Amino acid sequence: DAGVIQSPRHEVTEMGQEVTLRCKPISGHDYLFWYRQTMMRGLELLIYFNNNVPIDDSGMPEDRFSAKMPNASFSTLKIQPSEPRDSAVYFCASSSGLQETQYFGPGTRLLVL
Amino acid sequence: GNSVTQMEGPVTLSEEAFLTINCTYTATGYPSLFWYVQYPGEGLQLLLKATKADDKGSNKGFEATYRKETTSFHLEKGSVQVSDSAVYFCALSDRTGGSYIPTFGRGTSLIVHP
Repeated sequence: DAGVIQSPRHEVTEMGQEVTLRCKPISGHDYLFWYRQTMMRGLELLIYFNNNVPIDDSGMPEDRFSAKMPNASFSTLKIQPSEPRDSAVYFCASSSGLQETQYFGPGTRLLVL
Repeated sequence: GNSVTQMEGPVTLSEEAFLTINCTYTATGYPSLFWYVQYPGEGLQLLLKATKADDKGSNKGFEATYRKETTSFHLEKGSVQVSDSAVYFCALSDRTGGSYIPTFGRGTSLIVHP
């Protein structure tokens, strides 16, 4: 398996623009997680899905953030409008169960100017 | 709620030194415990895990023992190498409770000098 795939790997955008991050989980995994990593706050869980259904989005910072999982092999995290404080590395991870290992993608490094 | 506390870094060691990174946790149920490692520019990857009390996880010379009595899962390695330089995250996943939230520590940076 190719592992968790994320795109783009790097994104530079201007404040106010819409940003869409994409993730393809490992085939057969039924849990998908979105994280944000910054120096100040460390690794934060934003939202997770089970069988394509959002289970807990309490970590989503505000309404500007939204996530979807239209099918088992694809998820998006959208920021609209983006702000400089959204600059971070965003990771997607998938797993086969609640207490199983999470497999992380390489991350998307987002810079909002 | 659940939480994970790791020692703050960076931890700076010479090659072949002994490594300990402390990790303690609080959980409402019976969690599985993990250590993940993040190399520069990469995502986190599993280093080792333990699923019940007194289990020892081990991989690549690293070890950690699930200590329920002290709610700890300290990471150790007898002789570190320069290639071990990375950020190490302690984490737990707790099956019980109304809402499952995987919980990660803040990470501990390890720097190994030749």
